Amino acid sequence: AQSVTQLGSHVSVSEGALVLLRCNYSSSVPPYLFWYVQYPNQGLQLLLKYTSAATLVKGINGFEAEFKKSETSFHLTKPSAHMSDAAEYFCAVSETGRDYKLSFGAGTTVTVRA
Amino acid sequence: GAVVSQHPSRVICKSGTSVKIECRSLDFQATTMFWYRQFPKQSLMLMATSNEGSKATYEQGVEKDKFLINHASLTLSTLTVTSAHPEDSSFYICSARERLAGTQETQYFGPGTRLLVL
Repeated sequence: AQSVTQLGSHVSVSEGALVLLRCNYSSSVPPYLFWYVQYPNQGLQLLLKYTSAATLVKGINGFEAEFKKSETSFHLTKPSAHMSDAAEYFCAVSETGRDYKLSFGAGTTVTVRA
Repeated sequence: GAVVSQHPSRVICKSGTSVKIECRSLDFQATTMFWYRQFPKQSLMLMATSNEGSKATYEQGVEKDKFLINHASLTLSTLTVTSAHPEDSSFYICSARERLAGTQETQYFGPGTRLLVL
């Protein structure tokens, strides 16, 4: 079975500060891991994905995430927050054996203070 | 690339009527599309998996006779909410998976459809 836990339902950062969103997963097989961003009343946009290649994955808008198998984690970071980063972020996992169905975390709301 | 559209973006209907939502992959062929439901301030809940040319597979607890899914082509899937009731009001989001080998794991999401049943 696969599942995702996002620690912290809400994160508030100052503009220019580090953004760190935590995601831990459980999977019985090597997983595929994703971070998606959702702006109000919109669908999900793919930020980045891990598909068993490099463990440090770089995505769009300056975000990156590191896959750590020993910690079953896939935390998302951005060195310097921008006002436009205010949104809802979802971590998700899928497995080959489950036809790549995504299981989502509960989501983390990011607010950016000026 | 990998753009998914949904239509309509917002719909208001009367209780008892049916509503059809379209999901299209604009620049790629999608053998598989997924339909999700999202309640306010919550995560996405997978409702069903739609494969082109075959019957949809519904998740446990989702009424297949209420949420009719048709995947008639490699670029179009539709979700029909039949005899809608106020409790069906929600944000419905579709996603599509590319047909190309080596990209099967990635889903691209549509912008969502806000349904309000009065």
